[in-house]
Amino acid sequence: KAGVTQTPRYLIKTRGQQVTLSCSPISGHRSVSWYQQTPGQGLQFLFEYFSETQRNKGNFPGRFSGRQFSNSRSEMNVSTLELGDSALYLCASSRDDTDTQYFGPGTRLTVL
Amino acid sequence: AQSVTQPDIHITVSEGASLELRCNYSYGATPYLFWYVQSPGQGLQLLLKYFSGDTLVQGIKGFEAEFKRSQSSFNLRKPSVHWSDAAEYFCGTGTASKLTFGTGTRLQVML
Repeated sequence: KAGVTQTPRYLIKTRGQQVTLSCSPISGHRSVSWYQQTPGQGLQFLFEYFSETQRNKGNFPGRFSGRQFSNSRSEMNVSTLELGDSALYLCASSRDDTDTQYFGPGTRLTVL
Repeated sequence: AQSVTQPDIHITVSEGASLELRCNYSYGATPYLFWYVQSPGQGLQLLLKYFSGDTLVQGIKGFEAEFKRSQSSFNLRKPSVHWSDAAEYFCGTGTASKLTFGTGTRLQVML
């Protein structure tokens, strides 16, 4: 069974631009969660989607948004990029709330 | 709110020595607790999890953890560390759809 895949793996953007990251969950998983990992703040929860609906949201500004498609694939978007948005963005999928979260390798975003 | 604390930022052990990584949780009811490992440049891999039942949990790669309600702890242990165990270890809590992580413990293994 294929794991969680994330594209692209690396991304370089400049301040003010926007970016879209993609996540394909494990087949059969309907929940997709996103996390931001930085040296200063550690691992922080961004949001979670289940069957195309956002169920949980972390404490991030509205510049961070996401969506989930009918095939459970998910995208997250960051608009008006700031230097502080440089981070590893991790996607995780699970079947439901009681299941284990399986993480992808992450997308490394660098904002210049 | 649910939270976990990892008191040790960095730990160094010799290969073959035993290991214990500390994790303390803050939660009213019985929490869901996890340990994940992250190798450099990689995502997170689940080592083990505790939902209920037997308080001693066996995981992958020879790791185990014990849930101790009286101490609010969920420490990760391994009897004999291998050089390939060098990585960052995260304790976490929450539901499967929303995890809260500790700040992580970086493990260095001396050969």
